[in-house]
Amino acid sequence: AQSVAQPEDQVNVAEGNPLTVKCTYSVSGNPYLFWYVQYPNRGLQFLLKYITGDNLVKGSYGFEAEFNKSQTSFHLKKPSALVSDSALYFCAVRDENFNKFYFGSGTKLNVKP
Amino acid sequence: NAGVMQNPRHLVRRRGQEARLRCSPVKGHSHVYWYRQLPEEGLKFMVYLQKENIIDESGMPKERFSAEFPKEGPSILRIQQVVRGDSAAYFCASSPKGTASSNQPQHFGDGTRLSIL
Repeated sequence: AQSVAQPEDQVNVAEGNPLTVKCTYSVSGNPYLFWYVQYPNRGLQFLLKYITGDNLVKGSYGFEAEFNKSQTSFHLKKPSALVSDSALYFCAVRDENFNKFYFGSGTKLNVKP
Repeated sequence: NAGVMQNPRHLVRRRGQEARLRCSPVKGHSHVYWYRQLPEEGLKFMVYLQKENIIDESGMPKERFSAEFPKEGPSILRIQQVVRGDSAAYFCASSPKGTASSNQPQHFGDGTRLSIL
């Protein structure tokens, strides 16, 4: 069965500090992995994706994510958090054999000044 | 380039009425997905459609809910005889035509917030 887990409902970090938002996945085939961000009263915005190639993927707004096949993880990272990064973050996975996306439950990121 | 357009942005209905939510995908996209989001919760998949076909409706309630994506015009999510529990944000996403191996992300609209009085 395909699934995504985001174990933290909320992550708090001080501005300027590094941040990590965790995601683990389960798929039957090769995974296509995505991160999205959602601001209040808005839809999800695509941040980055991993399909194949380098395990470290760089995306929008200075975010990056590291694919770890052995740990089935795809954690979102940023070296220096900004207050404006405060939002809801969703990890998603798609099995290469299907066109359906599976979303995690979301992690609320709070960046304090 | 217009993104995914959803309307209305806010919809208020009384119990027992019908709600119709519209979604125009990105131009050229032929795959449409509908999701429901409750406050402070994640996205719940409802239905996946291609033009004139329902591909996967495993997330749709068996009664009162239906979806279509006609050859011409927007995709419609229809909720009949609405109840308080239908109050939520409903998001539409689209992706390009492609095989199952497409690596394209979904593009999301800003949602319709449905409130049931």
